[in-house]
Amino acid sequence: EAQVTQNPRYLITVTGKKLTVTCSQNMNHEYMSWYRQDPGLGLRQIYYSMNVEVTDKGDVPEGYKVSRKEKRNFPLILESPSPNQTSLYFCASSLTGGQYEQYFGPGTRLTVT
Amino acid sequence: GQQLNQSPQSMFIQEGEDVSMNCTSSSIFNTWLWYKQDPGEGPVLLIALYKAGELTSNGRLTAQFGITRKDSFLNISASIPSDVGIYFCAGLLGAYKYIFGTGTRLKVLA
Repeated sequence: EAQVTQNPRYLITVTGKKLTVTCSQNMNHEYMSWYRQDPGLGLRQIYYSMNVEVTDKGDVPEGYKVSRKEKRNFPLILESPSPNQTSLYFCASSLTGGQYEQYFGPGTRLTVT
Repeated sequence: GQQLNQSPQSMFIQEGEDVSMNCTSSSIFNTWLWYKQDPGEGPVLLIALYKAGELTSNGRLTAQFGITRKDSFLNISASIPSDVGIYFCAGLLGAYKYIFGTGTRLKVLA
């Protein structure tokens, strides 16, 4: 089954403790992206990747890092999480950028205390 | 960061009614997209629009890409209970950068 998977689905952590949220897709997509969703703000793009080893900042990249060493994986790294990064995070992928449909993962709900 | 102005923020309608929502922006977009998000899930693409003035339908859904390329609307005809959810517009800047609207939460009363 074609899908985007994220792990973990739920995470509660403390300020400053480094964490990684994994994202994997099995559709051989070139484009992958991370979003955060907050009440009243919709989805905001954090980082995106056009292909392996090619990444760029979205609208709200501060406090986040990404890497794209393999085509199928696009982990989101929070080196020193803070409470304002408490949010619902979505990973998405598409065949290439632009006019191809993005497929979203199920989301990761992160709470930073 | 950039965001699209989406309205209304929420709406309660009776089953069978038509629904209309829209998005406006100060930026010009190459592509407009409309997504629906069900509770506990990620957004799913409903309609994609690629040309200014384009009008596209998907079943009971109709969306239009504004002539100025700064706005778009989505209509849902004859709403049914499963239309409940959050609807997002999104614009594509260049080839890779997406800007989403703040969402319209739709509730349908049977």
